[in-house]
Amino acid sequence: GQQVMQIPQYQHVQEGEDFTTYCNSSTTLSNIQWYKQRPGGHPVFLIQLVKSGEVKKQKRLTFQFGEAKKNSSLHITATQTTDVGTYFCVGGFQKLVFGTGTRLLVSP
Amino acid sequence: DAGVTQSPTHLIKTRGQQVTLRCSPKSGHDTVSWYQQALGQGPQFIFQYYEEEERQRGNFPDRFSGHQFPNYSSELNVNALLLGDSALYLCASSFGGPGEETQYFGPGTRLLVL
Repeated sequence: GQQVMQIPQYQHVQEGEDFTTYCNSSTTLSNIQWYKQRPGGHPVFLIQLVKSGEVKKQKRLTFQFGEAKKNSSLHITATQTTDVGTYFCVGGFQKLVFGTGTRLLVSP
Repeated sequence: DAGVTQSPTHLIKTRGQQVTLRCSPKSGHDTVSWYQQALGQGPQFIFQYYEEEERQRGNFPDRFSGHQFPNYSSELNVNALLLGDSALYLCASSFGGPGEETQYFGPGTRLLVL
């Protein structure tokens, strides 16, 4: 079946440092979505990318969808303590497949 | 406009028992998906209901079954509970085709099987 892997599994940064998580799918995706889950919370939708090579920005967050539509990345510039949580990419096939997630910890 | 709601919030059961979890989708949404999230893991897709029928199913045994009602709300039933069924069960509602839609998640039901 389809698999969606993310690296790194975990990252601890100092507030103000940048952060990037990478997402790779075993097969071509129709779209990719990104969700954030705060500790003890539920996943919250961040963004959806559909087009090959698409780049979208949300304030300090930059999302990219690869040309082959098999990989994606999320980059956070100048992290803040409010960025703490686990970031999941979700691959769109016939159904949505969650990636393994990257847990981000930000120290003040 | 109420978001996705789930009940109960927490539940404790013993091995072999049966459990029913409930979900009400966000207003305007017609599709409900269920996920199992074990501690420290990502959500695993159980199944999706649309028009009162199971449209998609993940790799879960038949002990996991569901239902969708005419008002789009949904139930997840798990029979013959195992210790490994302890997890956060998330319901997500959406509108649109499978694999394309944005999912709105409820707060989840935390199930503990002893």
